[in-house]
Order: sequence, then structure tokens, then C-alpha cells
Amino acid sequence: DIQMTQSPSSLSASVGDRVSITCRASQGISNNLAWFQQKPGTAPKSLIYAASSLQSGVPSKFSGSGSGTDFTLTISSLQPEDFATYYCQQYKSSPYTFGQGTKLEI
Amino acid sequence: EVQLVESGGGLVQPGESLRLSCAASGFTFSSSWMHWVRQAPGQGLVWVSHINTDGSTTNYADSVKGRFTISRDNAKNTLYLQMNSLRVGDTAVYYCATSWAVSPGGYWGQGTLVTVSS
Repeated sequence: DIQMTQSPSSLSASVGDRVSITCRASQGISNNLAWFQQKPGTAPKSLIYAASSLQSGVPSKFSGSGSGTDFTLTISSLQPEDFATYYCQQYKSSPYTFGQGTKLEI
Repeated sequence: EVQLVESGGGLVQPGESLRLSCAASGFTFSSSWMHWVRQAPGQGLVWVSHINTDGSTTNYADSVKGRFTISRDNAKNTLYLQMNSLRVGDTAVYYCATSWAVSPGGYWGQGTLVTVSS
């Protein structure tokens, strides 16, 4: 199975900051990577697919990059509603594994 | 508006069975790969299973293989997850979702809680 490792596990930032979260795959997955945002008590929300493409309706403050084994989610100009937990997930091969999550805190 | 509504969760004892349903609307269900993802209390997301558009291709996480069966009824716009031989470790909120590898896509239901306890 492909293992997905996110770093950091938690991150403190302030409103207006720009932050990056990294995700590393245990083997190459090309660009078969998605990013999700989840707020407490709610369902996940899809942000990015194919490593760098924004899902419909997602603001451009979110951006993704990378290919192969190393990927990055960048969020610019943090707003209060952006503080949440973020997950990466590979869909190159089954089982489609998630990273352990990164909790973004104020 | 895309809507996914899960149902069928509840409290069961170890070894028992449960069938989850996910009613879809607002998009062409028969054209979308579908997933089940679960989240144990206070834990991260875990992919469970997916199914292709006509139900001919399915895949499962190792932890549920042989116990869970995913299926779909395109005439009813409904996705299912039959869960047999349930274990305490299967306790989680179960979400259905559309394929997130395309756009528009990656829509999620609100989840249904499955609790396995004696």
C-alpha cells in the first residue's frame, strides 16, 4: 500500500498569513493527489484534485503543487474560516490512502 | 444542487450486519464513480471502498475486504454499503462521496454514525 505522510501534524498561524502543508507519498503517484478541508463536526470538503487543479467553487487562495512523491498545499491570506484540518489523499492505486491530517490553528 | 444523504447507521453488536444507503440527487449519478470513507471518533479519514459507474469494478480497504460490499442502483440513484461481521473497530462516521478526481466533483454527504458495541 502507498503511505502518505503529511507535515507538520499541526500548525499555528495568524489571520493574513500564508502557510504551506506538505504531503509525501511512499512511492511515485504522478499527480494523482487530492486535498481536503474538514472543520469540526462537518463533512470534508474537496479542495484540489490532480495535485494542482482547484475543485469548482474553491477560491484561488488555495493552491497545490507537486508531482511524483512530494506535494504541497499552500493557503494565502488566511482568514478565520480557513482554520481547519487538511488531508491529502492519493488515488493512484487502491487502497486510496489519506495522510494523517494537518490541523491548522490560530 | 448536489445532495448526498446517507442513512442506515446505528448501534449494533459485534458480529452483526448493517446496510448503509446514500441517496444522490442534483447530478448524473450513473456517470459518477462513488466512494465510502469513514472516520472514527477523533481520528482521521480512512478510505473504505469505491465503485465504478456500472458497478462492475469495486475496490476495498484491506481492513474491510471480505466483510463489506459496495453496490449501487443507478435506477434509484442510490449507493449502498453492506457491512457484515462488524467489529468494534468499525465504529465511525461513514461518508459517501462522488469521485474527487474530476471537476465538478468531490461532493460529500453529511455522514452516518455506525457504533459497534456490546
